[in-house]
Amino acid sequence: DAGVTQSPTHLIKTRGQHVTLRCSPISGHKSVSWYQQVLGQGPQFIFQYYEKEERGRGNFPDRFSARQFPNYSSELNVNALLLGDSALYLCASSHQETQYFGPGTRLLVL
Amino acid sequence: GIQVEQSPPDLILQEGANSTLRCNFSDSVNNLQWFHQNPWGQLINLFYIPSGTKQNGRLSATTVATERYSLLYISSSQTTDSGVYFCAVVPYSGAGSYQLTFGKGTKLSVIP
Repeated sequence: DAGVTQSPTHLIKTRGQHVTLRCSPISGHKSVSWYQQVLGQGPQFIFQYYEKEERGRGNFPDRFSARQFPNYSSELNVNALLLGDSALYLCASSHQETQYFGPGTRLLVL
Repeated sequence: GIQVEQSPPDLILQEGANSTLRCNFSDSVNNLQWFHQNPWGQLINLFYIPSGTKQNGRLSATTVATERYSLLYISSSQTTDSGVYFCAVVPYSGAGSYQLTFGKGTKLSVIP
């Protein structure tokens, strides 16, 4: 079975631009979560979606938004990018209690 | 919110040595997972272990939920074990949530 997939793998943007990151969960998993990991830190929770509904939101500004589609894939959108948004963005899909992470998207904001 | 502390922050081992990584958490948990993050950033599931003991090859983990800590044991370490080990939890009050709170990790370097 394929694992969690994310696209793109790397991305370079400039301040003020917006970005869309994509995630496809493991087949049969209905929950998708997004995390941000800055260098030297553990991942920080951004959003959780289950059956297309938002189930949780971390301490991130409104510039961050997400949605889940009927096929359970998900998008994370970030508007008005700041230098501090440079990070590894991780998507995880869940079946019951165990979360499985994708390879991440490395975003660099210049 | 729940606090997760991992120790030691850094660990250097000779190949073949054994090690113990510790994770303390400040509240009762519904979910505890150990992950290994490789140099390319991929988070690899090691254990789902909110309580009890599990073993998988050279790795084993024990969580003592009543005392709010978990231990990850690595035996006969190999250079491929290098990377950062994270403990992550979901507090008991968050039952039904998949919102993991991560510790800061233990960076393990295994030298030949």
